[in-house]
Amino acid sequence: KNEVEQSPQNLTAQEEEFITINCSYSVGISALHWLQQHPGGGIVSLFMLSSGKKKHGRLIATINIQEKHSSLHITASHPRDSAVYICAVRVNSGGYQKVTFGTGTKLQVIP
Amino acid sequence: DAGITQSPRHKVTETGTPVTLRCHQTENHRYMYWYRQDPGHGLRLIHYSYGVKDTDKGEVSDGYSVSRSKTEDFLLTLESATSSQTSVYFCAIRVRNTGELFFGEGSRLTVL
Repeated sequence: KNEVEQSPQNLTAQEEEFITINCSYSVGISALHWLQQHPGGGIVSLFMLSSGKKKHGRLIATINIQEKHSSLHITASHPRDSAVYICAVRVNSGGYQKVTFGTGTKLQVIP
Repeated sequence: DAGITQSPRHKVTETGTPVTLRCHQTENHRYMYWYRQDPGHGLRLIHYSYGVKDTDKGEVSDGYSVSRSKTEDFLLTLESATSSQTSVYFCAIRVRNTGELFFGEGSRLTVL
């Protein structure tokens, strides 16, 4: 079992829909990252959080440390949001910080 | 983008040849990482560095070596490339104070 599980793996939405991507992890973490990767593109950091909620524009990330779960929400989705969204967790491991990545959620937003 | 550049961005090579990928950063970050990205897998850590000449292995380090002779450059070397090393390679830095991650644009390597 992967330390980081994302759901769904693939998601197709209509423009303007509210989107939720979930991330569950199995270990104690020091922080969780949400990343975005456009097709053929590089990887961009969206959020880093260790508690509560963060918002940036139409994107909202929440985390529940007790339940070991995080969600990424996109409000009023747009075709330019089409990308792979990756969850990653940072764990203190033997004196250094190890980052483990989920396999990503591929989002397609249709006009 | 934290001033990270990778080179080359694309490379096609033959089995058994040596390959070196370069990661260059301009902001003096201490922590640098090399990952590979393959379909069906999350990004997997190959090697990382926590300072000049300080490096350590990640989870998929077999067949790879790294060097960091100066802060700004982190080199990944495949001594004898194999087809299983066909992948997209990403360099990343971690900002020590905030923990944020920044990635290079990736290097697509094809080993024939």
